[in-house]
Amino acid sequence: AQKITQTQPGMFVQEKEAVTLDCTYDTSDPSYGLFWYKQPSSGEMIFLIYQGSYDQQNATEGRYSLNFQKARKSANLVISASQLGDSAMYFCAMRQGGTSYGKLTFGQGTILTVHP
Amino acid sequence: GAGVSQSPSNKVTEKGKDVELRCDPISGHTALYWYRQSLGQGLEFLIYFQGNSAPDKSGLPSDRFSAERTGGSVSTLTIQRTQQEDSAVYLCASGLTSGTHNEQFFGPGTRLTVL
Repeated sequence: AQKITQTQPGMFVQEKEAVTLDCTYDTSDPSYGLFWYKQPSSGEMIFLIYQGSYDQQNATEGRYSLNFQKARKSANLVISASQLGDSAMYFCAMRQGGTSYGKLTFGQGTILTVHP
Repeated sequence: GAGVSQSPSNKVTEKGKDVELRCDPISGHTALYWYRQSLGQGLEFLIYFQGNSAPDKSGLPSDRFSAERTGGSVSTLTIQRTQQEDSAVYLCASGLTSGTHNEQFFGPGTRLTVL
């Protein structure tokens, strides 16, 4: 069974600093995709970044980058130059299999608080 | 363009009543997903539609839950004989099935409270 683990219930960071949110996963399928979503207090889920299991390079999207360590089965999200608007819940998710569609399995989430 | 919309945004019902939750996906998205978010269980997958058929219903928690999609567009999630443990935010998402990573685009959710 596939499983996603986010071990940090809450994280605090100073504005303009970088922060790493941890995510480990467990799957026996060699083909999978990893996603990070942000959920502000308003409730909407916002897609941030994607990493495919066969991607050679770590994914980057603006201030977001994914530290993908396949052998350790970890896919940590790095947010550089934190902003007050980054305060939100962050979810790591996995889609198993070689297709580009299908259900996501989510971790428990990490609440990030950015201090001024 | 318009995003995923869901209605109602809030629903309060009494235990034992039936409820219907509606999702309007992004136009052209062939895949549609229902998830449930609750404090105790986190974010759980319920059902996935490709077009009007549901190849994955593995997350539906009981036979009180059903869903349909018509015209490859609007979907309705029905919960019969609601129980207090059904209280949660029900999220709908849509996405493409061609392309590479195809992220899922989520709606604002329906908050269901069963008294």
